Amino acid sequence: AQSVTQPDIHITVSEGASLELRCNYSYGATPYLFWYVQSPGQGLQLLLKYFSGDTLVQGIKGFEAEFKRSQSSFNLRKPSVHWSDAAEYFCAVSGGSQGNLIFGKGTKLSVKP
Amino acid sequence: EAGVAQSPRYKIIEKRQSVAFWCNPISGHATLYWYQQILGQGPKLLIQFQNNGVVDDSQLPKDRFSAERLKGVDSTLKIQPAKLEDSAVYLCASRPPVWTSDYNEQFFGPGTRLTVL
Repeated sequence: AQSVTQPDIHITVSEGASLELRCNYSYGATPYLFWYVQSPGQGLQLLLKYFSGDTLVQGIKGFEAEFKRSQSSFNLRKPSVHWSDAAEYFCAVSGGSQGNLIFGKGTKLSVKP
Repeated sequence: EAGVAQSPRYKIIEKRQSVAFWCNPISGHATLYWYQQILGQGPKLLIQFQNNGVVDDSQLPKDRFSAERLKGVDSTLKIQPAKLEDSAVYLCASRPPVWTSDYNEQFFGPGTRLTVL
């Protein structure tokens, strides 16, 4: 069965520091992978997605993610975090023809000034 | 382009009462999803529509939840009767047509936060 694991429930980083959020997935074939961000009281906004090709994908707001098939991972990175990045981040996988998304439990990011 | 619209944004009800949520997807999006997001968890699919037909409702608690999309555009999700464990954010999402470049992307509405007391 498809599943997504985000091992870190809550991460705190200092403003200006680098960030890496971990995501591991379980899927039998090549998955479609997504990172979404959710600010308090808001819906989900897509940061980036991987379907095929270059395993390093660039997204909005300076985020990037790297697909590593051998590790079944799709970690999200940002070189310098801004206070406005404080939010909850969800990794998701989709592989069926229906396009259903399976989400991880999310990682809450706090940013220290 | 207008995004996915949902209403109400917040709802508080007593257990055993009924409640309905409304979603209007992005124009031209034939596929519509309802997700339930319990506090501290990621969204979980409840039901998927393709136009006015149900594609997947395997995770919908059908004894109390129902959903419809009669004209293939907007959709309503209903809970009757509500239980305490139904407290969650209910997210609606829509997906572009198959011939578009972002076909595999889902666009989410702001959600409806339901509190059952």
